[in-house]
Amino acid sequence: QKEVEQNSGPLSVPEGAIASLNCTYSDRGSQSFFWYRQYSGKSPELIMSIYSNGDKEDGRFTAQLNKASQYVSLLIRDSQPSDSATYLCAVARSNDYKLSFGAGTTVTVRA
Amino acid sequence: SAVISQKPSRDICQRGTSLTIQCQVDSQVTMMFWYRQQPGQSLTLIATANQGSEATYESGFVIDKFPISRPNLTFSTLTVSNMSPEDSSIYLCSVAQTGVETQYFGPGTRLLVL
Repeated sequence: QKEVEQNSGPLSVPEGAIASLNCTYSDRGSQSFFWYRQYSGKSPELIMSIYSNGDKEDGRFTAQLNKASQYVSLLIRDSQPSDSATYLCAVARSNDYKLSFGAGTTVTVRA
Repeated sequence: SAVISQKPSRDICQRGTSLTIQCQVDSQVTMMFWYRQQPGQSLTLIATANQGSEATYESGFVIDKFPISRPNLTFSTLTVSNMSPEDSSIYLCSVAQTGVETQYFGPGTRLLVL
Protein backbone atom coordinates (compact mmCIF):
# COMPACT_ATOMS: atom_id res chain seq x y z
CA GLN A 1 0.00 0.00 0.00
CA LYS A 2 1.36 3.40 -0.95
CA GLU A 3 1.79 5.86 1.88
CA VAL A 4 -0.17 8.58 0.12
CA GLU A 5 -2.75 7.92 -2.57
CA GLN A 6 -4.62 10.41 -4.69
CA ASN A 7 -7.64 9.96 -6.91
CA SER A 8 -6.54 9.07 -10.37
CA GLY A 9 -6.78 11.70 -13.02
CA PRO A 10 -6.82 13.46 -15.20
CA LEU A 11 -9.71 15.55 -13.93
CA SER A 12 -11.41 17.81 -16.44
CA VAL A 13 -13.85 20.46 -15.24
CA PRO A 14 -15.56 23.36 -17.00
CA GLU A 15 -14.61 26.89 -16.10
CA GLY A 16 -16.53 28.08 -13.06
CA ALA A 17 -17.17 24.58 -11.70
CA ILE A 18 -15.83 22.99 -8.53
CA ALA A 19 -12.83 20.67 -8.79
CA SER A 20 -12.65 18.06 -6.03
CA LEU A 21 -9.36 16.33 -5.25
CA ASN A 22 -9.00 13.49 -2.78
CA CYS A 23 -6.08 12.03 -0.87
CA THR A 24 -5.75 9.19 1.62
CA TYR A 25 -2.74 8.30 3.72
CA SER A 26 -1.68 5.18 5.57
CA ASP A 27 0.43 6.49 8.49
CA ARG A 28 -1.80 7.31 11.46
CA GLY A 29 1.12 9.24 12.96
CA SER A 30 0.82 11.87 10.24
CA GLN A 31 0.17 15.32 11.62
CA SER A 32 0.72 17.79 8.79
CA PHE A 33 -0.95 17.87 5.42
CA PHE A 34 -0.18 19.97 2.40
CA TRP A 35 -1.45 20.61 -1.09
CA TYR A 36 1.05 21.73 -3.69
CA ARG A 37 0.32 22.89 -7.22
CA GLN A 38 2.79 22.09 -9.96
CA TYR A 39 2.58 23.64 -13.38
CA SER A 40 4.22 21.76 -16.21
CA GLY A 41 7.96 22.34 -16.15
CA LYS A 42 7.85 24.15 -12.82
CA SER A 43 8.56 23.21 -9.22
CA PRO A 44 5.80 22.57 -6.65
CA GLU A 45 4.15 25.62 -5.14
CA LEU A 46 2.45 25.42 -1.76
CA ILE A 47 -1.22 26.38 -1.89
CA MET A 48 -2.66 24.98 1.36
CA SER A 49 -1.58 23.46 4.63
CA ILE A 50 -3.88 21.90 7.22
CA TYR A 51 -3.16 20.40 10.61
CA SER A 52 -6.51 20.02 12.39
CA ASN A 53 -9.68 18.15 11.55
CA GLY A 54 -12.24 20.19 9.67
CA ASP A 55 -12.17 22.72 6.89
CA LYS A 56 -9.69 25.44 6.08
CA GLU A 57 -10.51 28.03 3.47
CA ASP A 58 -8.16 30.30 1.54
CA GLY A 59 -9.76 32.22 -1.28
CA ARG A 60 -11.17 29.77 -3.80
CA PHE A 61 -9.43 26.82 -2.13
CA THR A 62 -10.81 24.73 0.73
CA ALA A 63 -8.87 21.92 2.37
CA GLN A 64 -10.71 19.32 4.44
CA LEU A 65 -9.06 16.93 6.89
CA ASN A 66 -10.49 13.89 8.61
CA LYS A 67 -7.79 12.13 10.61
CA ALA A 68 -10.09 9.33 11.74
CA SER A 69 -10.70 8.40 8.11
CA GLN A 70 -7.12 9.29 7.13
CA TYR A 71 -8.45 11.48 4.41
CA VAL A 72 -7.67 14.95 3.15
CA SER A 73 -9.26 16.76 0.24
CA LEU A 74 -8.98 19.96 -1.72
CA LEU A 75 -11.84 21.83 -3.33
CA ILE A 76 -11.23 24.47 -5.95
CA ARG A 77 -14.27 26.68 -6.38
CA ASP A 78 -14.98 28.77 -9.48
CA SER A 79 -12.25 26.93 -11.37
CA GLN A 80 -10.24 29.01 -13.79
CA PRO A 81 -8.07 27.94 -16.74
CA SER A 82 -5.07 29.11 -14.68
CA ASP A 83 -5.89 26.34 -12.19
CA SER A 84 -4.92 23.75 -14.80
CA ALA A 85 -1.98 21.98 -13.18
CA THR A 86 -1.00 18.86 -11.26
CA TYR A 87 -1.99 18.93 -7.60
CA LEU A 88 0.19 17.03 -5.18
CA CYS A 89 -0.92 15.87 -1.75
CA ALA A 90 1.91 15.69 0.80
CA VAL A 91 1.88 14.30 4.31
CA ALA A 92 4.40 14.59 7.17
CA ARG A 93 4.88 13.36 10.68
CA SER A 94 5.31 16.12 13.18
CA ASN A 95 8.77 15.14 14.31
CA ASP A 96 10.88 14.93 11.19
CA TYR A 97 9.38 17.25 8.57
CA LYS A 98 9.86 14.65 5.83
CA LEU A 99 7.18 14.84 3.17
CA SER A 100 5.60 11.83 1.49
CA PHE A 101 3.92 12.77 -1.76
CA GLY A 102 1.06 11.26 -3.63
CA ALA A 103 1.31 10.64 -7.35
CA GLY A 104 -0.61 13.81 -8.12
CA THR A 105 -3.87 14.57 -9.88
CA THR A 106 -3.78 16.54 -13.11
CA VAL A 107 -6.59 19.05 -13.41
CA THR A 108 -7.65 20.63 -16.68
CA VAL A 109 -10.11 23.51 -16.60
CA ARG A 110 -11.98 23.88 -19.89
CA ALA A 111 -12.76 27.41 -20.95
CA SER B 1 8.99 32.67 2.39
CA ALA B 2 12.68 32.28 1.54
CA VAL B 3 13.96 32.79 -1.98
CA ILE B 4 15.64 29.62 -3.21
CA SER B 5 17.89 29.30 -6.23
CA GLN B 6 19.45 26.26 -7.83
CA LYS B 7 22.34 25.90 -10.21
CA PRO B 8 22.44 24.67 -12.87
CA SER B 9 18.83 24.97 -13.98
CA ARG B 10 19.37 22.19 -16.49
CA ASP B 11 22.16 20.07 -17.87
CA ILE B 12 22.83 17.29 -20.32
CA CYS B 13 25.54 14.90 -19.16
CA GLN B 14 27.27 11.78 -20.41
CA ARG B 15 26.93 8.53 -18.56
CA GLY B 16 29.67 7.81 -16.08
CA THR B 17 30.22 11.45 -15.21
CA SER B 18 29.14 13.36 -12.10
CA LEU B 19 27.19 16.58 -11.65
CA THR B 20 27.04 18.80 -8.58
CA ILE B 21 23.85 20.78 -8.02
CA GLN B 22 23.86 23.83 -5.79
CA CYS B 23 21.01 25.15 -3.66
CA GLN B 24 21.26 28.67 -2.26
CA VAL B 25 18.75 30.32 0.11
CA ASP B 26 18.55 34.05 0.77
CA SER B 27 18.11 33.55 4.52
CA GLN B 28 19.19 31.05 7.14
CA VAL B 29 17.01 27.96 7.32
CA THR B 30 17.21 25.06 9.71
CA MET B 31 16.06 22.29 7.41
CA MET B 32 17.14 21.51 3.87
CA PHE B 33 16.06 18.53 1.81
CA TRP B 34 16.79 17.05 -1.60
CA TYR B 35 14.08 15.42 -3.71
CA ARG B 36 14.02 13.66 -7.05
CA GLN B 37 11.15 13.77 -9.53
CA GLN B 38 11.52 11.23 -12.30
CA PRO B 39 9.70 11.85 -15.59
CA GLY B 40 5.94 11.69 -15.10
CA GLN B 41 6.34 10.78 -11.44
CA SER B 42 5.83 12.46 -8.11
CA LEU B 43 8.53 13.60 -5.71
CA THR B 44 10.71 11.21 -3.73
CA LEU B 45 12.85 12.35 -0.81
CA ILE B 46 16.53 11.55 -1.31
CA ALA B 47 17.98 12.89 1.92
CA THR B 48 17.95 15.51 4.63
CA ALA B 49 20.98 17.80 4.42
CA ASN B 50 22.32 18.35 7.92
CA GLN B 51 24.44 21.38 8.66
CA GLY B 52 27.86 20.34 9.92
CA SER B 53 27.22 16.60 9.78
CA GLU B 54 26.51 13.80 7.35
CA ALA B 55 23.23 13.83 5.46
CA THR B 56 20.44 11.44 6.43
CA TYR B 57 19.50 9.27 3.46
CA GLU B 58 16.17 7.63 2.71
CA SER B 59 15.82 3.99 1.86
CA GLY B 60 17.17 3.30 -1.61
CA PHE B 61 19.58 6.23 -1.66
CA VAL B 62 23.23 6.01 -0.64
CA ILE B 63 25.97 8.48 0.05
CA ASP B 64 28.32 7.07 -2.58
CA LYS B 65 25.78 7.80 -5.30
CA PHE B 66 24.37 11.06 -3.92
CA PRO B 67 26.95 12.80 -1.73
CA ILE B 68 25.52 15.89 -0.05
CA SER B 69 27.20 18.81 1.63
CA ARG B 70 25.76 21.53 3.82
CA PRO B 71 28.49 23.83 5.06
CA ASN B 72 26.16 26.48 6.49
CA LEU B 73 22.51 27.40 6.99
CA THR B 74 22.02 28.91 3.52
CA PHE B 75 23.75 26.52 1.13
CA SER B 76 23.78 22.85 0.16
CA THR B 77 25.04 20.74 -2.72
CA LEU B 78 23.90 17.41 -4.12
CA THR B 79 26.21 15.42 -6.37
CA VAL B 80 24.84 12.78 -8.71
CA SER B 81 27.77 10.42 -9.21
CA ASN B 82 28.62 7.97 -11.97
CA MET B 83 25.45 8.90 -13.80
CA SER B 84 23.34 6.58 -15.91
CA PRO B 85 20.28 7.38 -18.05
CA GLU B 86 18.10 6.26 -15.10
CA ASP B 87 19.32 9.32 -13.21
CA SER B 88 17.56 11.59 -15.68
CA SER B 89 15.20 13.50 -13.40
CA ILE B 90 14.39 16.82 -11.89
CA TYR B 91 16.31 17.38 -8.67
CA LEU B 92 14.75 19.78 -6.20
CA CYS B 93 15.92 21.24 -2.95
CA SER B 94 13.45 22.38 -0.33
CA VAL B 95 13.74 24.32 2.90
CA ALA B 96 11.84 24.58 6.16
CA GLN B 97 12.27 26.13 9.56
CA THR B 98 12.17 24.16 12.80
CA GLY B 99 8.71 24.55 14.30
CA VAL B 100 7.24 25.59 10.95
CA GLU B 101 6.66 22.45 8.96
CA THR B 102 5.87 24.07 5.66
CA GLN B 103 8.46 23.29 2.98
CA TYR B 104 9.23 25.53 0.06
CA PHE B 105 10.87 24.26 -3.09
CA GLY B 106 13.57 25.64 -5.29
CA PRO B 107 13.07 25.88 -9.06
CA GLY B 108 14.69 22.51 -9.69
CA THR B 109 17.55 21.19 -11.83
CA ARG B 110 16.54 19.27 -14.94
CA LEU B 111 19.10 16.59 -15.67
CA LEU B 112 19.30 14.48 -18.80
CA VAL B 113 21.87 11.71 -18.93
CA LEU B 114 22.78 10.31 -22.33
